Amino acid sequence: DIQMTQSPSSVSASVGDRVTITCRASQGISSWLGWYQQKPGKAPELLIYGASTLQSGVPLRFSGSGSGTEFTLTISSLQPEDFATYFCQQANSFPITFGQGTRLEIK
Amino acid sequence: QVQLVQSGAEVKKPGASVKVSCKTSGYTFISYGISWVRQAPGQGLEWMGWISADNGNTNYAQKLQGRVTMTTDTSTSTAYMELRSLRSDDTAVYYCARVLGDGYNYYYWGQGSLVTVSS
Repeated sequence: DIQMTQSPSSVSASVGDRVTITCRASQGISSWLGWYQQKPGKAPELLIYGASTLQSGVPLRFSGSGSGTEFTLTISSLQPEDFATYFCQQANSFPITFGQGTRLEIK
Repeated sequence: QVQLVQSGAEVKKPGASVKVSCKTSGYTFISYGISWVRQAPGQGLEWMGWISADNGNTNYAQKLQGRVTMTTDTSTSTAYMELRSLRSDDTAVYYCARVLGDGYNYYYWGQGSLVTVSS
């Protein structure tokens, strides 16, 4: 199975800050990576697929990069609605696997 | 619009079985597979498996092999996930999910079904 390791597991930041979350795959997955945002009591929402393609309707302050085994999600200027938990997910092969999540908290 | 509507919360005793449904609408059911993902309280996301709505082919997470069965009913555009021999660590919110197009990143999600396993 492909292991997905996210870091950090939690981060505190302020509105307007730039935040970067990293996801590392245990083997190469090309660009088969997605990023999700999840708020309490809600299903995850797909933000980015193909490592860097922004899902329609997602604000431009979100961006993704990387390929192979190293990936990043960047939020350029945090807004109040961005405080949530973020997960990466590899879509290269079964079994599908997720990172353990990064909780983004208000400082 | 595409919708995935799941069945309600369930409380089960250890050793029992649960069957969660996911009724879809807004698209041609057999054109996309359905995956199931669960999330234990305060924990991350765990992929459980996938079923082709076209031919019923399945791919299950190894740790659930032998306890999980995913099926579909094309006449009602509904997917089902049955989990047997329930344990306390199966307590979780269970989601069905569908991709938008190619690949296996999930755009459409059900609202989630809480399954509580408790004696």
